[in-house]
Amino acid sequence: DVKVTQSSRYLVKRTGEKVFLECVQDMDHENMFWYRQDPGLGLRLIYFSYDVKMKEKGDIPEGYSVSREKKERFSLILESASTNQTSMYLCASSFGDSQETQYFGPGTRLLVL
Amino acid sequence: EDQVTQSPEALRLQEGESSSLNCSYTVSGLRGLFWYRQDPGKGPEFLFTLYSAGEEKEKERLKATLTKKESFLHITAPKPEDSATYLCAATYQAGTALIFGKGTTLSVSS
Repeated sequence: DVKVTQSSRYLVKRTGEKVFLECVQDMDHENMFWYRQDPGLGLRLIYFSYDVKMKEKGDIPEGYSVSREKKERFSLILESASTNQTSMYLCASSFGDSQETQYFGPGTRLLVL
Repeated sequence: EDQVTQSPEALRLQEGESSSLNCSYTVSGLRGLFWYRQDPGKGPEFLFTLYSAGEEKEKERLKATLTKKESFLHITAPKPEDSATYLCAATYQAGTALIFGKGTTLSVSS
């Protein structure tokens, strides 16, 4: 079974803090993705990576950065957390071709106060 | 811009009352059409992938079909445990990222 894990299920942070969300997959997938999910807006892509040290901006990259130093791990960084970054963050991974299924982690619910 | 649109936004069924969820998508360049189930507070769980018009896949009470412009998720004799949000998503030749619809929230009462 494919396993995608995320470092935290729930996080509470203060405005201005630097926040790290980590994602690990165990299927040797080339692609990894970070989405955020908000009521009424659905899932929106923040960043994705198709190889180690490679990254591409998604639809809403502002205020975020990412790091992929190892194939199995993809980190999302909120440089200076703001209240409008309160959301559900979802990590996913897949093999390289766009026909391949993306598998999701359990999500991290982040509250920024 | 590639788009995926789901309808209805919400659907309430009685246990045993079969129905269908709709997903319409931008046709040009489709690489794959995906269905996921999402329970509250959890990540999406993969259900089906469809690649070409006419394809069908089944799993328990769920059947997914793909036509040249739409996909349907048919739910036969649903049970309360089928209550969830069902997400449709697509990938296109231009990239690998999934483009999601906003989902259909299904409630099944006994």
